[in-house]
Amino acid sequence: QSVLTQPPSASGTPGQRVTISCSGSSSNIGSNYVYWYQQLPGTAPKLLIYRNNQRPSGVPDRFSGSKSGTSASLAISGLRSEDEADYYCAAWDDSLGVFGGGTKLTVL
Amino acid sequence: QVTLKESGPVLVKPTETLTLTCTVSGFSLSNARMGVSWIRQPPGKALEWLAHIFSNDEKSYSTSLKSRLTISKDTSKSQVVLTMTNMDPVDTATYYCARISVVVAAAFDYWGQGTLVTVSS
Repeated sequence: QSVLTQPPSASGTPGQRVTISCSGSSSNIGSNYVYWYQQLPGTAPKLLIYRNNQRPSGVPDRFSGSKSGTSASLAISGLRSEDEADYYCAAWDDSLGVFGGGTKLTVL
Repeated sequence: QVTLKESGPVLVKPTETLTLTCTVSGFSLSNARMGVSWIRQPPGKALEWLAHIFSNDEKSYSTSLKSRLTISKDTSKSQVVLTMTNMDPVDTATYYCARISVVVAAAFDYWGQGTLVTVSS
């Protein structure tokens, strides 16, 4: 049972915009930054979003993050086949790391 | 170029102690703006944070696994070591080490490739 709650799956067609939600509590998302990681099949996770809505260099601006209260979301616009992956939200809870259960994104 | 690489046994028996080593390059474990975390992922399941250590030797552990985990570092060897006692088949997972960077607001900005550890007699 993960501390942060994500939908197990999401899907979209190429070119569409999809959003993935992440729900937490006042002790994690409510008082700390949210991060998003992308895990392509058979690979290690990769940082996609930090500080709620910042993209590391090299991450396309198709990916965007937002946070409100104890919830956050990741939006992917102009969906592409290579976006098919597992997406995890994460946050710090006091000094402990917490993750969501992951959302498997399928590009139809 | 920042890299992290996990090493350790691929197979451990139940009740044994697991020792994993994360060897880093491209940054120093004495850098006050960096730390290293261990994170695991059972096959087909979600990521689970285990522990972290910073340059000042500040450590934190997963609440549920705290009694079984020890994290330490050898700055001169650029290595972070995680030990987990009393291994059980449910601990079968890919274990990752990842860098925590203040530059990206304490995100895990670089990850190792992971090492699959199977617990079986």
